[in-house]
Amino acid sequence: DGGITQSPKYLFRKEGQNVTLSCEQNLNHDAMYWYRQDPGQGLRLIYYSQIVNDFQKGDIAEGYSVSREKKESFPLTVTSAQKNPTAFYLCASSPELGRANTGELFFGEGSRLTVL
Amino acid sequence: GQNIDQPTEMTATEGAIVQINCTYQTSGFNGLFWYQQHAGEAPTFLSYNVLDGLEEKGRFSSFLSRSKGYSYLLLKELQMKDSASYLCAVRDGGATNKLIFGTGTLLAVQP
Repeated sequence: DGGITQSPKYLFRKEGQNVTLSCEQNLNHDAMYWYRQDPGQGLRLIYYSQIVNDFQKGDIAEGYSVSREKKESFPLTVTSAQKNPTAFYLCASSPELGRANTGELFFGEGSRLTVL
Repeated sequence: GQNIDQPTEMTATEGAIVQINCTYQTSGFNGLFWYQQHAGEAPTFLSYNVLDGLEEKGRFSSFLSRSKGYSYLLLKELQMKDSASYLCAVRDGGATNKLIFGTGTLLAVQP
């Protein structure tokens, strides 16, 4: 089945450690996104990529890094510079916006990161 | 600035109808989405409006008024499984497909 796979689902990290969240999609979508979700807040965009080997900062990119070496993969690294990394992280992808589709986002199941 | 407002919480009764409102002020507009999200799960797509008017899809309908910066999601014949958060999101204008999300409305359906 086509979809988006995030791993790990749950992750614990000590302060000062970097951690990388995996996101893989087999939907053949060009665009991929990382969002962060905190209680009482909407989804906030961290990074997005519209094409391989290119990505752009979202609204809250500080303390995060990404790469887009392959169309299928868009890993997110939460660095020690991120002051409040405990959150639910959602990866999404979308087809190119066009007449035949709405460009809706397809989400992975999420990764819950807890910093101890 | 970019701002999307939704009520934080709503309660409704099984079998009833509920309307969840969303108002937005964004620098650009290229479509409005509604997503459903059960606790701890991924959001799932419900509806999309880009032109004014009502879009109906089974028990769910969504309305848009671009001049008023307003949308609502209407849920009919409520079921217990409809208890979830409902997220309103606006795609900003331009070449990207960036969505700006509201904080979501937590709907509790009671027997």
